[in-house]
Amino acid sequence: DAGVTQSPTHLIKTRGQQVTLRCSPKSGHDTVSWYQQALGQGPQFIFQYYEEEERQRGNFPDRFSGHQFPNYSSELNVNALLLGDSALYLCASSPTVHTEAFFGQGTRLTVV
Amino acid sequence: KQEVTQIPAALSVPEGENLVLNCSFTDSAIYNLQWFRQDPGKGLTSLLLIQSSQREQTSGRLNASLDKSSGRSTLYIAASQPGDSATYLCAVDPANQAGTALIFGKGTTLSVSS
Repeated sequence: DAGVTQSPTHLIKTRGQQVTLRCSPKSGHDTVSWYQQALGQGPQFIFQYYEEEERQRGNFPDRFSGHQFPNYSSELNVNALLLGDSALYLCASSPTVHTEAFFGQGTRLTVV
Repeated sequence: KQEVTQIPAALSVPEGENLVLNCSFTDSAIYNLQWFRQDPGKGLTSLLLIQSSQREQTSGRLNASLDKSSGRSTLYIAASQPGDSATYLCAVDPANQAGTALIFGKGTTLSVSS
């Protein structure tokens, strides 16, 4: 089992650009959640997908959007990047909602 | 609104010491509580999951307890090793709060010296 995989590992973007981050869940997991982690802070919930639908959404602006595909993989899109969007973006998958979460290695996004 | 607090923020101990990390939460209505380990710049590794109906879970040198009524969990690490040096995060899955999945504390950064 490959575990949760995220791509790319690192990314540098310019203010105003758009970015897409990708996540493949563990085999057999149908629930994918995305988190943003600033330095020295705990991860903050962005949104959760279950059966290709956005099930829950945290307090993030509409610039943050996502998608889940039929194979349960997921994308996180951020438009009009701001310097404050620089963070570690983490993807987690679970067998279903309210079960153990397994995280990927994260994508380090730097906005310059 | 659920809030999770971890104290202390940092901890330094010599190798071989037994230690306890603390996690508190403000609303006892949770589905579960999970402890994670995070190495610098890396993702989170799940250590232990405690269901709402459970009191404790054990894995190797790790033991986690849950007291929902008091809103507390502890992670006990026996015979600490330098390889245990990392940031430890606890997270709750709240049952009474829409618009969220896991709610995290800020973590305790542990340094074990040889």
